[in-house]
Amino acid sequence: DQQVKQNSPSLSVQEGRISILNCDYTNSMFDYFLWYKKYPAEGPTFLISISSIKDKNEDGRFTVFLNKSAKHLSLHIVPSQPGDSAVYFCAASGRDNFNKFYFGSGTKLNVKP
Amino acid sequence: DGGITQSPKYLFRKEGQNVTLSCEQNLNHDAMYWYRQDPGQGLRLIYYSQIVNDFQKGDIAEGYSVSREKKESFPLTVTSAQKNPTAFYLCASSWRVGGTEAFFGQGTRLTVV
Repeated sequence: DQQVKQNSPSLSVQEGRISILNCDYTNSMFDYFLWYKKYPAEGPTFLISISSIKDKNEDGRFTVFLNKSAKHLSLHIVPSQPGDSAVYFCAASGRDNFNKFYFGSGTKLNVKP
Repeated sequence: DGGITQSPKYLFRKEGQNVTLSCEQNLNHDAMYWYRQDPGQGLRLIYYSQIVNDFQKGDIAEGYSVSREKKESFPLTVTSAQKNPTAFYLCASSWRVGGTEAFFGQGTRLTVV
């Protein structure tokens, strides 16, 4: 059973607009959440993370929001750029095993010029 | 430069043969991981190791074996018992503490014919 879910396989956004990528999780022991960006045939690169003691973390154009009660997090990219086109993976790790990362199935973002 | 090196990038093997994928890191990380990615799917954990001479099965360990004799190295053997070995394999490493991200290698594309 998948503990981290990304229900949107793809998202298309116009350049300059906001991209919102969503992620849901089921395990209440998760306390650290990450977003990775991945290009085809390459390894994922770390983008941004958030601890469960926060509800928002910002890094430049990227902001991650965490809603613990809903077990939901989202990644906002503002403004979106064509170079942001990639697959974005949500991941989580928990207090019970912080060295075990669970990944979602990914959302393919296409930013149109 | 510190990082994770996976070799080779592309690997072809005949069905029924065992094959070993290499993963080396010079980040001084204690924890190392092997993930598998199939088209349209997320990253699934095969094995992980939190310390030298110790490793645990992930969600899809059947047909795979690993060793962790050195901190820097975590090779993965895909045995002939793995029913669907053709996939993109990703190695990662992290600090052995909570609230930290995993760093990924560039991946190895294994094709079994």
